[in-house]
Amino acid sequence: SYELTQPPSVSVSPGQTASITCSGDKLGDKFVCWFQQKPGQSPVVVIYQDNKRPSGIPERFSGSNSGNTAALTISGTQTVDEADYYCQAWDGSTYVFGTGTKVTVL
Amino acid sequence: QVQLQQSGPGLVKPSQTLSLTCAISGESVSSNSATWNWIRQSPSRGLEWLGRTYYTSKWNNDYAASVRSRISINPDISKNQFSLQLESVTPEDTAVYYCARLGTYFDSWGQGTLVTVSS
Repeated sequence: SYELTQPPSVSVSPGQTASITCSGDKLGDKFVCWFQQKPGQSPVVVIYQDNKRPSGIPERFSGSNSGNTAALTISGTQTVDEADYYCQAWDGSTYVFGTGTKVTVL
Repeated sequence: QVQLQQSGPGLVKPSQTLSLTCAISGESVSSNSATWNWIRQSPSRGLEWLGRTYYTSKWNNDYAASVRSRISINPDISKNQFSLQLESVTPEDTAVYYCARLGTYFDSWGQGTLVTVSS
């Protein structure tokens, strides 16, 4: 089965840039979404189709996808961005989610 | 904006059937622009897509291989909702279950239901 691997945790200082990677075989050939999930809440999309932001998502969120790796970048990270982040792709028969990355802002 | 409201029991006994319902407001379950999905989340399995139902001149279903032999997702047009049934549950099926709408992406989610499988 298809797998998406993320680092378990990323730490960032307020105002700095956080980068989260998502690795999968030939991931660049697929569209990737990124979800933000805060404790006790349902996931919310912050990036879709590799690099598009839904309305209402701040410009500090951006995405890229090439080769075997997709990345979510949070520029000028704020304390409200502290959350778990998941990548997601369609492998042709199943919607697959990444292992998740906890972003800590300190 | 589509809203999804989940309902169903939070405790199911082993070997029994897990049943959840997702009521839709703001769009028809028969819409040609969306699919209606169930996703679960547990510490051991992470986020796991379970399956979907959708209408394109007829009703269609797709299911994850991991649960295909014991899952059923069905629309209820009269109530504008869809349901999940998962048979022969074990403690491994303990998770938070979400319903979600997929348009271009998973843009609307239910509030989540913690289902515990225990005697």
